[in-house]
Amino acid sequence: KAGVTQTPRYLIKTRGQQVTLSCSPISGHRSVSWYQQTPGQGLQFLFEYFSETQRNKGNFPGRFSGRQFSNSRSEMNVSTLELGDSALYLCASSTDAFSYNEQFFGPGTRLTVL
Amino acid sequence: AQTVTQSQPEMSVQEAETVTLSCTYDTSESDYYLFWYKQPPSRQMILVIRQEAYKQQNATENRFSVNFQKAAKSFSLKISDSQLGDAAMYFCAYSFPQTGANNLFFGTGTRLTVIP
Repeated sequence: KAGVTQTPRYLIKTRGQQVTLSCSPISGHRSVSWYQQTPGQGLQFLFEYFSETQRNKGNFPGRFSGRQFSNSRSEMNVSTLELGDSALYLCASSTDAFSYNEQFFGPGTRLTVL
Repeated sequence: AQTVTQSQPEMSVQEAETVTLSCTYDTSESDYYLFWYKQPPSRQMILVIRQEAYKQQNATENRFSVNFQKAAKSFSLKISDSQLGDAAMYFCAYSFPQTGANNLFFGTGTRLTVIP
């Protein structure tokens, strides 16, 4: 079974631009979570989607948004990019909404904002 | 606020030896789940071991075991017979079923080096 895939793997943008990152979960998984990983702040939860509904959102500004499609694929969007948005963005999928479930992580998208 | 503290930014261990990584956490919830995830260099994060807070028995997975002290809010990871492939960042994390969501709260991580 294929793992979690994220595209693109690397992205370079300039301040003020917007970006869309994509995540394809493991087949059959309906929950997709997004995390931001930076050296200074560590791993921080962005949001989680389950069956196309956002179930929870972390403490990030409204510039960060996401959605989930009927096939469970998810996208996150960051508008008006800032230098501080440079990070590794990780997507994780799990079978359902049970928080004890193992989350399977993708390789991440490395975003650099210049 | 939910916080997870890993007080050891870096640790090293000789191959075949045993190492313990520390993790403490703070929560007022009585029901939660604890995890250790491993992030090898340039590779995907994977689950190492997990523990339900209501279970007193410490979880074990092959060479990996935990020492869960609920009253002390401590959840340390012991790696026995360390192997070169164990070299990675290790993150302690927890989640809460009450939130109805899957989000994990992570610690800052411990970088483990395995010395041949």
